[in-house]
Amino acid sequence: KAGVTQTPRYLIKTRGQQVTLSCSPISGHRSVSWYQQTPGQGLQFLFEYFSETQRNKGNFPGRFSGRQFSNSRSEMNVSTLELGDSALYLCASSGLTGNTIYFGEGSWLTVV
Amino acid sequence: GIQVEQSPPDLILQEGANSTLRCNFSDSVNNLQWFHQNPWGQLINLFYIPSGTKQNGRLSATTVATERYSLLYISSSQTTDSGVYFCAVWTSYGKLTFGQGTILTVHP
Repeated sequence: KAGVTQTPRYLIKTRGQQVTLSCSPISGHRSVSWYQQTPGQGLQFLFEYFSETQRNKGNFPGRFSGRQFSNSRSEMNVSTLELGDSALYLCASSGLTGNTIYFGEGSWLTVV
Repeated sequence: GIQVEQSPPDLILQEGANSTLRCNFSDSVNNLQWFHQNPWGQLINLFYIPSGTKQNGRLSATTVATERYSLLYISSSQTTDSGVYFCAVWTSYGKLTFGQGTILTVHP
């Protein structure tokens, strides 16, 4: 059974640009959540999608958005990139509420 | 919201030593997981353990939900055990609240 797949793994963007990250969950999982990890703030929750609906959202500005498709694949978008957006972005999927959450390998974003 | 605290923040061991990592949480939880973050950034599931004790090879974990803490035991540590260990609790839909992690370094 394939794990959570994230693309791209590494990317470099310039301030002001936008970026889209993709996540394919484990087959059969309908919940996909996104996290940002930085050295200063640790792991912070961005948002969660279930059956194409955002059910939960963390404390991030509106520049951070996401969506989920009918096949449960998800994308997150960051517009007007800032230097502080440089981070590891992790996607996770789970099958049932309150059950084990599995993470992908992450996307390393560097904003210059 | 719920607070998750891990200790110690850093741990340095010689290969073969045993260690105990602790995770305290401020409210009752239905879901607690331990992860190991490898050098490439991926969070590897170690245990899903909302209560009780589980073992997997040299690793074991115990959660005492009524006292709001969980312990991760690593026996006969190896250099490949190095990395960051996180505990995290489920607080709402898809949201895990993480501790700050324990950085484990195992020297040969």
